[in-house]
Amino acid sequence: QQQVKQSPQSLIVQKGGISIINCAYENTAFDYFPWYQQFPGKGPALLIAIRPDVSEKKEGRFTISFNKSAKQFSLHIMDSQPGDSATYFCAAGGGGATNKLIFGTGTLLAVQP
Amino acid sequence: DAGITQSPRYKITETGRQVTLMCHQTWSHSYMFWYRQDLGHGLRLIYYSAAADITDKGEVPDGYVVSRSKTENFPLTLESATRSQTSVYFCASSKSPGGSYEQYFGPGTRLTVT
Repeated sequence: QQQVKQSPQSLIVQKGGISIINCAYENTAFDYFPWYQQFPGKGPALLIAIRPDVSEKKEGRFTISFNKSAKQFSLHIMDSQPGDSATYFCAAGGGGATNKLIFGTGTLLAVQP
Repeated sequence: DAGITQSPRYKITETGRQVTLMCHQTWSHSYMFWYRQDLGHGLRLIYYSAAADITDKGEVPDGYVVSRSKTENFPLTLESATRSQTSVYFCASSKSPGGSYEQYFGPGTRLTVT
């Protein structure tokens, strides 16, 4: 019940295209769903996060779509740029007295110029 | 504003040796975490701490020991390193529960066990 399943494992997108990464969770107690971005040689950094009381959150070119009934959420990167090339991790957490997050296995995104 | 730092950044050690990875944060965050990152497995939680002197196991704690005598420090010790512990280790911190769950990550330590 603690798993977060992420797909695809890797993704190649042309510059200007839309990148879509999907995640599914099992534990309905989760109430916080962030996406982290990691560049080579760096630690992950929070990109955008959503709570289950909304179905979509947009920040610039990055959008989270959240489907509570399906227990799925996805990251959409509009107008993808070469600078977006990184590893993206979804995560789920909350619902308790701890700040633990359960991370997906990551998606390596390459945006070709 | 140092944030969260890890040392060393790179470490090569031999099988059976004890090695300690250091983590230091300047924000006085209550929560601290240790993860290992391996291809195909993402980030897996090793141990976490809710406050000084309070620690608990994560998903993959075997072979690791932690302590937290001060809020700002959270060292991770491999008591007898094995090749399977070759990985990139990340420390993270987070504010008190009830606020944002955002975790702030350090730059990582790449550990190679030969």
